[in-house]
Amino acid sequence: QSALTQPASVSGSPGQSITISCTGTSSDVGSYNFVSWYQQHPGKAPKVLIYEGSKRPSGVSNRFSGSKSGNTASLAISGLQAEDEADYYCCSYVTGDTWVFGGGTKLTVL
Amino acid sequence: EVQLVESGGGLVQPGGSLRLSCAASGFTFRNYWMTWVRQAPGKGLEWVASIKPDGSEKHYVGSVKGRFILSRDNAENSLYLQMDSLRVEDTAMYYCASDLNHSPYWGQGTLVTVFS
Repeated sequence: QSALTQPASVSGSPGQSITISCTGTSSDVGSYNFVSWYQQHPGKAPKVLIYEGSKRPSGVSNRFSGSKSGNTASLAISGLQAEDEADYYCCSYVTGDTWVFGGGTKLTVL
Repeated sequence: EVQLVESGGGLVQPGGSLRLSCAASGFTFRNYWMTWVRQAPGKGLEWVASIKPDGSEKHYVGSVKGRFILSRDNAENSLYLQMDSLRVEDTAMYYCASDLNHSPYWGQGTLVTVFS
């Protein structure tokens, strides 16, 4: 299956809000509420930010939120902080018990 | 506390084999789908393979079908990935992950380097 489509990069200033999109198809994002989002700092393992489209694990800041419309899922980050600068990946369940990731988005905090 | 600890990575020549392990603790391992995800140097995340809780179904990304075999031992709370006929393009950090759909947990990864 093809990777989910994410913008290669986004940027924002401290305190601002940004949104990262993740576009799939009716075989993945559009059909299931099983989209997860990950944050990855250089040299570190991915950290789960969002699962089941909009749920946050314990300990994840409520500045991170997830949503979905049609075949596109989105991750919103409010009140940008310097430590939010990282790579972000979406992931979706795909029909047939497989999964697919997005290509990743590099967030720069200006 | 959920913990996933990968091991077994290393240096290998093309055509060689490695067996990765993932030791799980802090949750009822036998109840969850388990997955391997990899990340080539400087690249994004790629789903590699997943296995049903009872081990009766396994699914692989096309590029590893016929070369990698996924298995689990629910009595030992362990996940395995037998990697044969390794290629340079299999070079990556390999992460073990649980329950990608409902409540994902990830390990810290084990590095596989295939060099000619």
